[in-house]
This record gives sequence, structure tokens and C-alpha cells, in this order.
Amino acid sequence: QQQVKQSPQSLIVQKGGIPIINCAYENTAFDYFPWYQQFPGKGPALLIAIRPDVSEKKEGRFTISFNKSAKQFSLHIMDSQPGDSATYFCAAAIQGAQKLVFGQGTRLTINP
Amino acid sequence: NAGVTQTPKFQVLKTGQSMTLQCAQDMNHEYMSWYRQDPGMGLRLIHYSVGAGITDQGEVPNGYNVSRSTTEDFPLRLLSAAPSQTSVYFCASSYDLAGGLGTTDTQYFGPGTRLTVL
Repeated sequence: QQQVKQSPQSLIVQKGGIPIINCAYENTAFDYFPWYQQFPGKGPALLIAIRPDVSEKKEGRFTISFNKSAKQFSLHIMDSQPGDSATYFCAAAIQGAQKLVFGQGTRLTINP
Repeated sequence: NAGVTQTPKFQVLKTGQSMTLQCAQDMNHEYMSWYRQDPGMGLRLIHYSVGAGITDQGEVPNGYNVSRSTTEDFPLRLLSAAPSQTSVYFCASSYDLAGGLGTTDTQYFGPGTRLTVL
């Protein structure tokens, strides 16, 4: 049973476009929602994270939008670049529980 | 700081063999964990530890053992390897996963170990 569902599995966008990756969760006790970026042959790295007390968080070209009532959150990448090509994972956790649940991942390709 | 280190980078085992995947961190993090990554499945938590001497099971613990005798090291043992354990394994550490507002909650991942079981 997948507690965090991520879509799409893969995404191809032209340079400058705005890729959007979506995640949905079931457990309303989740209160921490990070996104990780993974390049081939490397471990995932924390990109940006949000808590349910805010509806949006921006860090540079990366924005998380959070909809608590719909139990959904999404990652937007503004002015996407070929260097953003990577696999992106959303995740969720309960504060203090020390367990991260990951989505299935999205392979993003930004074409020049 | 070396961060999170994992050895070996690659390993091929035969069914039934045992081995230990090593993980070490030099950031004095209390929280450490092991994940496996399989295509289309994301990362799944195998075991985790919230400090030396304390371990607990994650989502997919069967076939794996862990121990945490020091803050720095968190080895993962495969007791009797099976082809279903073919995967990429990642170790991670953090000061305080999903801690309260204002705490450092970044989880650092190692480079991974690619394991093939024949």
C-alpha cells in the first residue's frame, strides 16, 4: 500500500518550461513534506521541504504548493534548465516518528 | 567532513551468501537509516536508528539485520541473500528527521551500494 502517490512517472519539458510534479498522501498525521533530487549514480539530496501550516514555499526556482484539504502537494520548477534533469522524489513524515515515506519518483528531462 | 560514506559501491552475491553493507557518518547525527531503491517503487525504509543502541524496523525489514554500537556506524547485514534483494541500498543520516520548526531536518544520503544477487 503506497502511502504517498507520485505522478507522473516521467516528464519531458523544453528548457524554460515549468515542470509540475504532483504527490498525494493518505495519512492526515503527516506534517513534514520534503522533496528530494537525485542525479544518476548519486544519493538523493534534500531540495526543499514544507510543513502544513503554509500553502506555498519558494526557494530559488523551486516552489512547493500544498493543499491540506485535498491532501496533495506539488513541486514546480520555474525557468527549467537542462541541469535540472534528474529524478525527483516527494516524501512525507510525522514529526518525531523518524520515518520518511517516499513517492515512486519522477524522472524529469529538460531538453535544450 | 566526509558526510555519509558507504562501502562497497558494487557487490555481486550468490543466493544464500551473507554480507554486511557498511555505513558511516562524521556529522555526529543521532538518526540513521537504510533504504532500498527499486525502479517504480521509490525508496523504502528497511531499518532505522535514533541513537547508539536503539534500532527499529521500517517498511521492508525481512532478510536484513542492523545494529548501532556507535553514533558513527550503522551496518546493514544480509543474512542469506536472495535475488529479491537485488537493489540499490542507501544509508542516510540526520540531526533530527522532521523535527520541530527551527530544527535542522536535512537528511543526508550516502552514494549508495548497488547489490546484485544471482
